[in-house]
Amino acid sequence: AQSVTQPDIHITVSEGASLELRCNYSYGATPYLFWYVQSPGQGLQLLLKYFSGDTLVQGIKGFEAEFKRSQSSFNLRKPSVHWSDAAEYFCAVGPARNYGQNFVFGPGTRLSVLP
Amino acid sequence: GAVVSQHPSWVICKSGTSVKIECRSLDFQATTMFWYRQFPKQSLMLMATSNEGSKATYEQGVEKDKFLINHASLTLSTLTVTSAHPEDSSFYICSARDPGQYEQFFGPGTRLTVL
Repeated sequence: AQSVTQPDIHITVSEGASLELRCNYSYGATPYLFWYVQSPGQGLQLLLKYFSGDTLVQGIKGFEAEFKRSQSSFNLRKPSVHWSDAAEYFCAVGPARNYGQNFVFGPGTRLSVLP
Repeated sequence: GAVVSQHPSWVICKSGTSVKIECRSLDFQATTMFWYRQFPKQSLMLMATSNEGSKATYEQGVEKDKFLINHASLTLSTLTVTSAHPEDSSFYICSARDPGQYEQFFGPGTRLTVL
């Protein structure tokens, strides 16, 4: 069965501290991997994606993620968090090269940032 | 990235009435659009996959007669909530897939409140 887990429901960090959001997946086929961010009452914005190649991918807003096939993980990181990063973060997986099939989303991790 | 719009951004209606939500891809032609529902502090739940010119594919448990989806053109899909009830109150998000790119682009969402 296809599934995405985000073990941390809610994380609180201080502004300027580093951040790591965890994502693990179970997927039968070769996956494409994504991280999205959602601010309250808003849609989802793509932070970064991994299709193939270098397993460390850079995204917008200073975020990066590392794909580790052996651990079925795609953790999101940021070296220094800003107050504006407070939001909900969703990890998602999709089947490689199957444009008609939907993604599977994780339950989300809510990030709070302390001043 | 590609832009997807939704209209309206919020709507309040009386129980028993019908509400139509539009999803438009503004700068690309979307052969596939997805409709999601999101409850407070929860992840996205896929309701249906909409393919231009054909019937939508509904996920298990989603009533096709209550949530009518029409994808009449390559830039527009509509979701009509028929005979709305308070339990239909939710945040509805659409996404569209640009055939030239793999990832989905999300609309800003529509907040539906049924009184």
